Amino acid sequence: GAVVSQHPSWVICKSGTSVKIECRSLDFQATTMFWYRQFPKQSLMLMATSNEGSKATYEQGVEKDKFLINHASLTLSTLTVTSAHPEDSSFYICSADHRDRDYEQYFGPGTRLTVT
Amino acid sequence: AQSVSQHNHHVILSEAASLELGCNYSYGGTVNLFWYVQYPGQHLQLLLKYFSGDPLVKGIKGFEAEFIKSKFSFNLRKPSVQWSDTAEYFCAVNAWGNDMRFGAGTRLTVKP
Repeated sequence: GAVVSQHPSWVICKSGTSVKIECRSLDFQATTMFWYRQFPKQSLMLMATSNEGSKATYEQGVEKDKFLINHASLTLSTLTVTSAHPEDSSFYICSADHRDRDYEQYFGPGTRLTVT
Repeated sequence: AQSVSQHNHHVILSEAASLELGCNYSYGGTVNLFWYVQYPGQHLQLLLKYFSGDPLVKGIKGFEAEFIKSKFSFNLRKPSVQWSDTAEYFCAVNAWGNDMRFGAGTRLTVKP
């Protein structure tokens, strides 16, 4: 158990449009979900932390109005990249903490976003 | 602020060689420590973790790590690497109530 899925796995969009990425914990409940961004050959950078039913906490330098996060249930969090620009092209990864396993984080497979 | 340092950016080894990847963190309080692996084209997977207890932690696939509190280190080791260990390895630190912070990663290339 402890599987996290992301949808879509890859997406191409035009500059100025918005893209929604879903993160689901398939077989467990996650109090907290995390959104990361990974640039090529670099480490994961935490963007924001979302708790079910409350507003997300954004890391310094991350625009909350651009990266909208919704965590409506214990198994689903969404990241919406609004008015996307080519510099938003990246690999977005979510993780979910498993409250029955010492809050260990399980990672999704990631979503490749390309903005043209 | 928490930070995690992985000093080796790219390590190249031959099969059967021993591996040690360094990880140091800067945080004075109680921490949870992790090593994750990312195989080419795949998502992050947990190799091992340390929360408390025995500072020598054994993980999957023959990996182990030793937590040395006085050195703020959590180095990853494997006595004999295989070609299939070729991957990116990330050290991560989580302080109680705080978020996971990742090191920059170490790329391991194992030559057959």
